[in-house]
Amino acid sequence: RKEVEQDPGPFNVPEGATVAFNCTYSNSASQSFFWYRQDCRKEPKLLMSVYSSGNEDGRFTAQLNRASQYISLLIRDSKLSDSATYLCVATTSGNTPLVFGKGTRLSVIA
Amino acid sequence: DAGVTQSPTHLIKTRGQQVTLRCSPKSGHDTVSWYQQALGQGPQFIFQYYEEEERQRGNFPDRFSGHQFPNYSSELNVNALLLGDSALYLCASSATGRRTNEKLFFGSGTQLSVL
Repeated sequence: RKEVEQDPGPFNVPEGATVAFNCTYSNSASQSFFWYRQDCRKEPKLLMSVYSSGNEDGRFTAQLNRASQYISLLIRDSKLSDSATYLCVATTSGNTPLVFGKGTRLSVIA
Repeated sequence: DAGVTQSPTHLIKTRGQQVTLRCSPKSGHDTVSWYQQALGQGPQFIFQYYEEEERQRGNFPDRFSGHQFPNYSSELNVNALLLGDSALYLCASSATGRRTNEKLFFGSGTQLSVL
């Protein structure tokens, strides 16, 4: 079983739609969680950290459920520029290597 | 302020050859990590260098080796290349501290193709 598993996608949604990505992690010792965005074989870029209380950054909301070992990312009012691959990441501490999921591809269509 | 720079951007090699990839960390960063990203997969951790020593290592064979120089730049070496080594190789830099993962910066990667 992979340490971090994500919805395979691709998700094809119209502009303005709300889309949600799910991710599960198997290592119960995981403490830090992130969502990264990656465009077309470029480098991953940190989208947001995921906190236990849930957090929001504009149109993006991330949530963590430690009991179910589940992380989610919600994107509201999708823009064409949101088209990318979204990578779920878990790690056991602030200094240990990042463990990435395979990523979920999102295409926002006009 | 230059971010993380990697060279070359693209590389084509044949099976059995050796390759060296280079990375210069972001200014002020002293720790360099290398990741391999195969097509359709997420990045996988290879190893991390700090103070010129390998500090952590992922599940990669000894054919993968590295080095860090006094100026914090780093090299990734892969010997006896296999077709399966074809991937995007990403370098990430950070500064030592409690929550380095939240301040991790990736370079744009080196795309290695093994024929």
